[in-house]
Amino acid sequence: QKEVEQDPGPLSVPEGAIVSLNCTYSNSAFQYFMWYRQYSRKGPELLMYTYSSGNKEDGRFTAQVDKSSKYISLFIRDSQPSDSATYLCAMSDSTSYGKLTFGQGTILTVHP
Amino acid sequence: ETGVTQSPTHLIKTRGQQVTLRCSSQSGHNTVSWYQQALGQGPQFIFQYYREEENGRGNFPPRFSGLQFPNYSSELNVNALELDDSALYLCASSLDRYNSPLHFGNGTRLTVT
Repeated sequence: QKEVEQDPGPLSVPEGAIVSLNCTYSNSAFQYFMWYRQYSRKGPELLMYTYSSGNKEDGRFTAQVDKSSKYISLFIRDSQPSDSATYLCAMSDSTSYGKLTFGQGTILTVHP
Repeated sequence: ETGVTQSPTHLIKTRGQQVTLRCSSQSGHNTVSWYQQALGQGPQFIFQYYREEENGRGNFPPRFSGLQFPNYSSELNVNALELDDSALYLCASSLDRYNSPLHFGNGTRLTVT
């Protein structure tokens, strides 16, 4: 079993839809949670960075962390064709310097 | 502010050869990490360098090695290349070696034939 599980999709939605992306994890030591967006032939771009449980909002993006369930989510409101990309969840604990554990990535397509 | 830059963008090597990949950190960042991303997978941690020393390592064999220079630029060296080493190699820099967010470059696509 992988430490971080992410549904690879692909996920296809119409423009304007609300998108929900999710990851589950097994390591209870994880405290830092991130979402990255990766366009084709590009490196991952940091979208959201949260510590411990709770919600964080940034524009159309909302990240949620539920440590009791070992479950994190990213919501995208009013999705746009430019949101079409692979979304990667990543997480780390407080002792493994620089080591992020990533999910497999979810491929999202937003069609006009 | 200059982001993380990597070179070359693409590289083709033969099994058994050696390769060196290069990375320039984002301005002000003193820590660099390297990741391997196979097709259709999430990146996997190779190692991190801080102040020119290896500061953490993932499950990669010793033929994967690195260097960090005083200007915080970095190299990833892979010896005795295997077909399974074909992947996108990503460099990421951060403000410190703890849990500052990582900022990635666009990677080097390595193909081993």
